[in-house]
Amino acid sequence: EAQVTQNPRYLITVTGKKLTVTCSQNMNHEYMSWYRQDPGLGLRQIYYSMNVEVTDKGDVPEGYKVSRKEKRNFPLILESPSPNQTSLYFCASSWGEGGEQYFGPGTRLTVT
Amino acid sequence: GENVEQHPSTLSVQEGDSAVIKCTYSDSASNYFPWYKQELGKRPQLIIDIRSNVGEKKDQRIAVTLNKTAKHFSLHITETQPEDSAVYFCAASIPGGFKTIFGAGTRLFVKA
Repeated sequence: EAQVTQNPRYLITVTGKKLTVTCSQNMNHEYMSWYRQDPGLGLRQIYYSMNVEVTDKGDVPEGYKVSRKEKRNFPLILESPSPNQTSLYFCASSWGEGGEQYFGPGTRLTVT
Repeated sequence: GENVEQHPSTLSVQEGDSAVIKCTYSDSASNYFPWYKQELGKRPQLIIDIRSNVGEKKDQRIAVTLNKTAKHFSLHITETQPEDSAVYFCAASIPGGFKTIFGAGTRLFVKA
């Protein structure tokens, strides 16, 4: 089954404790992206990747890191999480620009 | 940078009526305009999209129109049904990458 998976689905952590949210897709998509969803703000793009080792900033990259060492995986790293990073995070993948994005199930992160 | 404004933020209609959601974008280079539907607790899913070389596209009860001159595009849902109740997001993509800007979303309620 074609899908995008994220782990963990729920995470409660404390300020400053490094964490990684994994994202994996099995559709051989070249394009992958991370979004955060906050009430009233819609989906805001954090980082995106157009291929292995090719990443670029979205609209809200501050406080986040990403890496794309393999085509199927695109982890999101929060080196020192802060409460303002409490949000619902979605990973998405696509065959290319101008193509449908397939979203993962979401990761609800709470930073206290 | 690109900005996408979406209106209204909330829309309530009677079953069988039509619903219209409007978006405006700022970057005239944007060339791909998808619409995503997000049901409560679920991931966003593409329902229809349009490219900048097309003025209108229809898929059963759903249609999207694009006015490049005015830089706005709209989602039209006819004969609404209770299962159309969800949050709808418009988005605009700029060519040459995977940068995607989403609107803030419209919560649609269809009353039976």
